[in-house]
Amino acid sequence: DAGVTQSPTHLIKTRGQQVTLRCSPISGHKSVSWYQQVLGQGPQFIFQYYEKEERGRGNFPDRFSAQQFSDYHSELNMSSLELGDSALYFCASSLASRAEAFFGQGTRLTVV
Amino acid sequence: AQKITQTQPGMFVQEKEAVTLDCTYDTSDPSYGLFWYKQPSSGEMIFLIYQGSYDQQNATEGRYSLNFQKARKSANLVISASQLGDSAMYFCAMRDEGAGGTSYGKLTFGQGTILTVHP
Repeated sequence: DAGVTQSPTHLIKTRGQQVTLRCSPISGHKSVSWYQQVLGQGPQFIFQYYEKEERGRGNFPDRFSAQQFSDYHSELNMSSLELGDSALYFCASSLASRAEAFFGQGTRLTVV
Repeated sequence: AQKITQTQPGMFVQEKEAVTLDCTYDTSDPSYGLFWYKQPSSGEMIFLIYQGSYDQQNATEGRYSLNFQKARKSANLVISASQLGDSAMYFCAMRDEGAGGTSYGKLTFGQGTILTVHP
């Protein structure tokens, strides 16, 4: 069975640009969450979606947005990129809110 | 607010020995889940084990077991028979699982413990 897949795996953007990261959850999983991990720290929660509705939002600026589509894949969008947005971005999928959460391989974003 | 504390920045263990990685948590939510993840140097987050707050028995998954002590608010990970491939960063995390929780599905992570397994 395919696990959580994220694309792209790496990308480099310039300050001020916009970027969209994609996540496909495990088949049957309806919950997708997004996390940011900067070097040396644990992942920080950005968003959670369940059945295409936003169910949770972390302490991130409005430049960060996300959505979940009818096939349950999700996209994280970041606009007006800043150097501090350079990080590893993960998505995680769960069958439900009270179940194991499995992570994708991550997208490494570098803002220059 | 939820908080996870991992007090061991680094741990060393001899191959084939057991090791315990500490995790304490703080929450006012009556229903929550506790997780451990492994992050090798390649960067992926690998799910190891999950414990629900109302589970009566400690969770086990192969060589991994979670020593859940609810009164002490601790959720230590025990790795038995360590292998060289166990060398990695380990994160403890928790999630509010109450129906009325506002942090629906959010995982809160600790700072991590780097485990090094010596041959």
